[in-house]
Amino acid sequence: EAGVTQFPSHSVIEKGQTVTLRCDPISGHDNLYWYRRVMGKEIKFLLHFVKESKQDESGMPNNRFLAERTGGTYSTLKVQPAELEDSGVYFCASSQGTGWSGELFFGEGSRLTVL
Amino acid sequence: GNSVTQMEGPVTLSEEAFLTINCTYTATGYPSLFWYVQYPGEGLQLLLKATKADDKGSNKGFEATYRKETTSFHLEKGSVQVSDSAVYFCALSGVRGSTLGRLYFGRGTQLTVWP
Repeated sequence: EAGVTQFPSHSVIEKGQTVTLRCDPISGHDNLYWYRRVMGKEIKFLLHFVKESKQDESGMPNNRFLAERTGGTYSTLKVQPAELEDSGVYFCASSQGTGWSGELFFGEGSRLTVL
Repeated sequence: GNSVTQMEGPVTLSEEAFLTINCTYTATGYPSLFWYVQYPGEGLQLLLKATKADDKGSNKGFEATYRKETTSFHLEKGSVQVSDSAVYFCALSGVRGSTLGRLYFGRGTQLTVWP
């Protein structure tokens, strides 16, 4: 069974440009999460989808970030326009819809560098 | 607020040495506690968990006990191996008012084990 996959693994862009990160969760997982780790800091929650609906987006830094999950399968996270402080590693995670055991399944992360 | 504090790294040990990585937390309500591990080139994966006070989580020779009185969840292993080299993250979830699956992470501790 395929795990959580993320693309791209690394993106280098200039300030003001746009970047779109993609996450494919484990098949059948209704819950999808985005997290971010800024260099040297803790991993922070960004938002949570249940199927195609945003359950909690309280961790999104500002309106330059837009997450979508059309059809309840893969998700995209767009940053537009990117700023220097957006640099970091963006993790996607997924879990089953019911009877959550406490385990999230993470992708390898997408490293974003904004110059 | 909800937060996790774990010992600063990096930690460098010789094979078969004893490992302790300290983790303390602040939380509203009665959280579940986790240790996640990220091996090089991989996503985070659950190492062990504990859901209530005095529970001990264990896996792959690692152990951690949920201590409510000291708000701690220290990770220990009696004899580390080179293959344990990774970044270890302490985390909590299930705090009052938080969405299911929202984890609060510490900053991570890099462990390097030399042969």
